[in-house]
Amino acid sequence: GAVVSQHPSRVICKSGTSVKIECRSLDFQATTMFWYRQFPKKSLMLMATSNEGSKATYEQGVEKDKFLINHASLTLSTLTVTSAHPEDSSFYICSARVSGITSYEQYFGPGTRLTVT
Amino acid sequence: AQSVTQPDIHITVSEGASLELRCNYSYGATPYLFWYVQSPGQGLQLLLKYFSGDTLVQGIKGFEAEFKRSQSSFNLRKPSVHWSDAAEYFCAVGAQAGTALIFGKGTTLSVSS
Repeated sequence: GAVVSQHPSRVICKSGTSVKIECRSLDFQATTMFWYRQFPKKSLMLMATSNEGSKATYEQGVEKDKFLINHASLTLSTLTVTSAHPEDSSFYICSARVSGITSYEQYFGPGTRLTVT
Repeated sequence: AQSVTQPDIHITVSEGASLELRCNYSYGATPYLFWYVQSPGQGLQLLLKYFSGDTLVQGIKGFEAEFKRSQSSFNLRKPSVHWSDAAEYFCAVGAQAGTALIFGKGTTLSVSS
């Protein structure tokens, strides 16, 4: 149980285009999902907290107009990188917390490798 | 503010030797601590977690970690390393239920034959 999927696993896009990454909780409902970014050989940096039915909360320094987050249902959050540039190339990982349970545990997706050419 | 420090960027261990990866945290109250492993190009796999109770925690793949409040540490150990253990290891702390985890910078483990 507690499986989180991400789609696509790998995407290459041209500079200036937008790309959408999906994060799904497959067997549980997730009121809250988190989006992390990981640079090569670096740690995971929290980008934003996604809450179902409300606006995402972005971390300081993360451009909300560039990284659009939508959490339209209890099992799906999407991250859209708008007008992508090569510096947006990175590994994006989402995690989800089980709704209705006071738990510190989060379940991570397998990540999406974004390459902007 | 909460923080996690993993002092060792890269460790090389011989196959069959023991392993200890260090993790220190900074947090005022009782932290909730995790160790994750990441293989190249892959997502994170939870090795073990500490919420309360017994300070020696057993995890998957033969790993264990010990919470030491006096040292603000949560070091990961394995008595005998296998070549398949080569990966990136992350220590993380959760401050409150439902909030994001704060990760250390990771330790790269290489296993030599």
